[in-house]
Amino acid sequence: GQQVMQIPQYQHVQEGEDFTTYCNSSTTLSNIQWYKQRPGGHPVFLIQLVKSGEVKKQKRLTFQFGEAKKNSSLHITATQTTDVGTYFCAGPYSGGGADGLTFGKGTHLIIQP
Amino acid sequence: KAGVTQTPRYLIKTRGQQVTLSCSPISGHRSVSWYQQTPGQGLQFLFEYFSETQRNKGNFPGRFSGRQFSNSRSEMNVSTLELGDSALYLCASSLASGPLETQYFGPGTRLLVL
Repeated sequence: GQQVMQIPQYQHVQEGEDFTTYCNSSTTLSNIQWYKQRPGGHPVFLIQLVKSGEVKKQKRLTFQFGEAKKNSSLHITATQTTDVGTYFCAGPYSGGGADGLTFGKGTHLIIQP
Repeated sequence: KAGVTQTPRYLIKTRGQQVTLSCSPISGHRSVSWYQQTPGQGLQFLFEYFSETQRNKGNFPGRFSGRQFSNSRSEMNVSTLELGDSALYLCASSLASGPLETQYFGPGTRLLVL
């Protein structure tokens, strides 16, 4: 099945600095989703991107889908302590004749006050 | 609406035993997916059930199995437990099946195999 690779695995930032995580695929993705998991919590849906070159914003979060639909990024401006957690991208997975979602390994965002 | 619920929340088993985990999806959701989460491997897809049928399966051995009932509740079973099966098992429900569907995750069952 298809895989999505996510980098970096860990990112340490000072509070107030920006943060970016990248998601890459070797094949074209029909769509990509982003999730956030707080420490001790479970993944929570953030957004879905479907169109080539799509850019969506949620307050300080900016999500982009590449023109070739093979990569995506999540950028957080002026990080706050509430942004701590692991950010996952998820792309389509093909297996057994049906499609589902496969998740990247996530980027752990650690914020130093 | 109530969220996805999973029982039990914590479980300790010994090698060789078997375990059954339960997941109740959000009301009206017909798809349930199961994931294994470990620090080393991240979130790995186990399988998905939709309308009582397994639609998709990840790369896990046959010791991992599941089923879905007519009310969309799902169970997963792991037989002959191994130490490496220690993980957080998450289930997620969605309205329908497919990669465009938003996954709503439950709190997970943390399994420790001794």
